[in-house]
Amino acid sequence: SQQGEEDPQALSIQEGENATMNCSYKTSINNLQWYRQNSGRGLVHLILIRSNEREKHSGRLRVTLDTSKKSSSLLITASRAADTASYFCATVRTGGGADGLTFGKGTHLIIQP
Amino acid sequence: GAGVSQSPRYKVAKRGQDVALRCDPISGHVSLFWYQQALGQGPEFLTYFQNEAQLDKSGLPSDRFFAERPEGSVSTLKIQRTQQEDSAVYLCASSPRQGSYYNEQFFGPGTRLTVL
Repeated sequence: SQQGEEDPQALSIQEGENATMNCSYKTSINNLQWYRQNSGRGLVHLILIRSNEREKHSGRLRVTLDTSKKSSSLLITASRAADTASYFCATVRTGGGADGLTFGKGTHLIIQP
Repeated sequence: GAGVSQSPRYKVAKRGQDVALRCDPISGHVSLFWYQQALGQGPEFLTYFQNEAQLDKSGLPSDRFFAERPEGSVSTLKIQRTQQEDSAVYLCASSPRQGSYYNEQFFGPGTRLTVL
């Protein structure tokens, strides 16, 4: 079953604007990862934030993690048409030896040129 | 080719047929994962290998699903007596070390299975 929910499910903005996507999850986690999926393609890893970290940056990406609220956000600054894709958060559960990722349902982002 | 490859990219099967989906992970990667992605949904975990050992198969939906990685590299996901609800994209991912605590996963392009 899906671990959590991304919010919003779909987002359409103008090129150059910032895009913010949120993710909520349910269980205790080791880390949280964000992935991008272009239509008909596999997933591409964007950024990983560990459970003891609160914020992380990578280029135009900024991720925050609030373990008390079991939520994360992904900010893409100065969006480009090439950023059009679906974005998924994924978590790794603590303990149990289970290492598979648990994904949310994704946010479909459309950047209007 | 340094990435994860999967074959076939597209597979159409008649209900009741058996199918085999292949995954070639990145050379040297210890961990290999299979996921199932239904249309409009996020991927759902099926099974996990560390080298040739299948350490977690809790996500396999039924005993019709079977996965193997006999030599710790190439993996095959087999679905017996396919049903329409098996229609989905099957994604394979590999990771250089055991565990996911610090590791990103590298995904293949997927196999789109359609069961008629």
